[in-house]
Amino acid sequence: DIQMTQSPSTLSASVGDRVTITCRASQNINSWLAWYQQKPGKAPKLLIHKASTLHSGVPSRFSGSGSGTDFTLTISSLQPDDFATYYCQQYNSHLITFGRGTRLEIK
Amino acid sequence: QAQLVESGGGVVQPGGSLRLSCATSGFPFSLYGMYWVRQAPGKGLEWVAFIRYDSNRKNYADSVKGRFIVSRDNAKNTAYLQLNSLRGDDTAMYFCANGQGAASSLDDWGQGTLVIVSS
Repeated sequence: DIQMTQSPSTLSASVGDRVTITCRASQNINSWLAWYQQKPGKAPKLLIHKASTLHSGVPSRFSGSGSGTDFTLTISSLQPDDFATYYCQQYNSHLITFGRGTRLEIK
Repeated sequence: QAQLVESGGGVVQPGGSLRLSCATSGFPFSLYGMYWVRQAPGKGLEWVAFIRYDSNRKNYADSVKGRFIVSRDNAKNTAYLQLNSLRGDDTAMYFCANGQGAASSLDDWGQGTLVIVSS
């Protein structure tokens, strides 16, 4: 199985900050990577697919980049609604796998 | 817009069974693959199972292979997950989600249904 390693596991930041979350795949996944946001007690929401394509309705302050094994999710200017847990997911293999998550908390 | 609603969760004893349902609307169900993903309390997301739009391909995580069975009824726009031989580590919130292939991003998700395996 393809392992996905996210870092950091926790990130403290303030409203207005620019933050970056990293995801590394254990093997080449081309651009078959998605990012999700999850708030406590809620289902995950798709933010980005194919590494850098913004899902419909997602604010433009979210962006994704990378290919191969190294990927990043960037939030350009944190808003209060952005404090949540973020997961990456690879779909290069039909055995899809998720990263362990990055909890973004208020500093 | 797409709506997915899971049901069927509950408390079950170890070794028992449950059948989860995922009723959908707002998208062409018969053209989408359906996924089941679970999340143990306080933990991350774990993919469990996938069924292709035409039911001709089904994939399972190793942790549930041989115990869980995924199915769908395109006439009812509903997907199912049969959980057998349940163990304590199957305790989790179970989400269904749709995707456009056997390996895809998960576009829309249900709110989840909670399965607790306990004696």
